[in-house]
Amino acid sequence: GQQLNQSPQSMFIQEGEDVSMNCTSSSIFNTWLWYKQDPGEGPVLLIALYKAGELTSNGRLTAQFGITRKDSFLNISASIPSDVGIYFCAGHNNAGNMLTFGGGTRLMVKP
Amino acid sequence: DAEITQSPRHKITETGRQVTLACHQTWNHNNMFWYRQDLGHGLRLIHYSYGVQDTNKGEVSDGYSVSRSNTEDLPLTLESAASSQTSVYFCASSERLPGTGDEQYFGPGTRLTVT
Repeated sequence: GQQLNQSPQSMFIQEGEDVSMNCTSSSIFNTWLWYKQDPGEGPVLLIALYKAGELTSNGRLTAQFGITRKDSFLNISASIPSDVGIYFCAGHNNAGNMLTFGGGTRLMVKP
Repeated sequence: DAEITQSPRHKITETGRQVTLACHQTWNHNNMFWYRQDLGHGLRLIHYSYGVQDTNKGEVSDGYSVSRSNTEDLPLTLESAASSQTSVYFCASSERLPGTGDEQYFGPGTRLTVT
């Protein structure tokens, strides 16, 4: 099946630092989504992107839909301890009405 | 407030037993999904449903079944539990299909251990 390669797999940063993570695919997606999962909880939708080149912000989070439709990135500015969790990208390509998820990026923030 | 719940939150069972995980949503969403989450694999789709009496196989459906007798519930059954089915299971629902502006909302998860 399709795969999304998400990197890095984990990050350990200092509070206040900016964070960048990305997702790449060998095939085209028409929708990119970014979710965050807190420990012991289900993923929560952060940002949805529907158009190539689209740049969308949600507070300190900014995500972009790559021009090639094969990648997306998520930036978090001025990280805080509550940013800790696993961040997942997900893509949809209108085939089969299913989402494909990346393997996740585990973010740890040192106060 | 509308929500999506899963039960039990934790379950330990023995190999070969039948297990059913419950998922209940009060948003009146047509679409419901079951995923499993394993280290290194992210979330993988098991089964999904677009409405009452509709069920479809996902990427990793072998050994699992679902039924949709009403809008609110999509129980997931493991017919004969295997150790390879030890995982965290998430249910999700959405009003519209992916990519149409209304994305999936997830339950809190069920941690299943098969011994």
